[in-house]
Amino acid sequence: QSVLTQPPSASGTPGQRVTISCSGSSSNIGSNTVNWYQHLPGTAPKLLIYSNNQRPSGVPDRFSGSKSGTSASLAISGLQSEDEADYYCAAWDDSLNGVVFGGGTKLTVL
Amino acid sequence: QVQLVESGGGLGKPGGSLRLSCAASGFTFSDYYMSWIRQAPGKGLEWVSYISGSGSTIYSADSLKGRFTISRDNAKNSLYLQMNSLRAEDTAVYYCAKRGFGESVFDYWGQGALVTVSS
Repeated sequence: QSVLTQPPSASGTPGQRVTISCSGSSSNIGSNTVNWYQHLPGTAPKLLIYSNNQRPSGVPDRFSGSKSGTSASLAISGLQSEDEADYYCAAWDDSLNGVVFGGGTKLTVL
Repeated sequence: QVQLVESGGGLGKPGGSLRLSCAASGFTFSDYYMSWIRQAPGKGLEWVSYISGSGSTIYSADSLKGRFTISRDNAKNSLYLQMNSLRAEDTAVYYCAKRGFGESVFDYWGQGALVTVSS
């Protein structure tokens, strides 16, 4: 059972907009920033969004993040086949004194 | 460019020990917190441990304290994870990661080292 809660799966057709939610508590998302990672099987995870809504250099602006209270969301617009991957949210937890990840969401592009 | 290369994975016996290494290059290693993160087969990412640039500050997942120890050698630009009292549930790909701007920001990752615990 992950500290941060994500839906196990999401799907969309090419060109669509999809969102992935991440729910936490006051000790993690409620008091710290949220980051998102994209992970394709067999490869190293990639930082997608940091500090709730910032994109590292090279990440397309189709990817955006937001946070409100103890929840966060990742939005992907103009869905492409190469976006099919697992997506994870992460935050620091002040009670656990450690990093907590969501359980991951498998995105399927239909 | 930043490179992180893990080594030392392989087959370990229940109750045994393994030591993972991560060779870093392309950045000033001693300036950055480093971390180990793992992914068990069919499971999600799980943070294991953090170590500060000087090595003086360490954070570890409660579930692994006492069995896993993170360390670093800045002279060798290397990060380590000593894994003792191995259990079957420690079977996972172990990633070395560099911390970016923020406690849960990992801006560079290695390709991972597979650890299999089995008799």
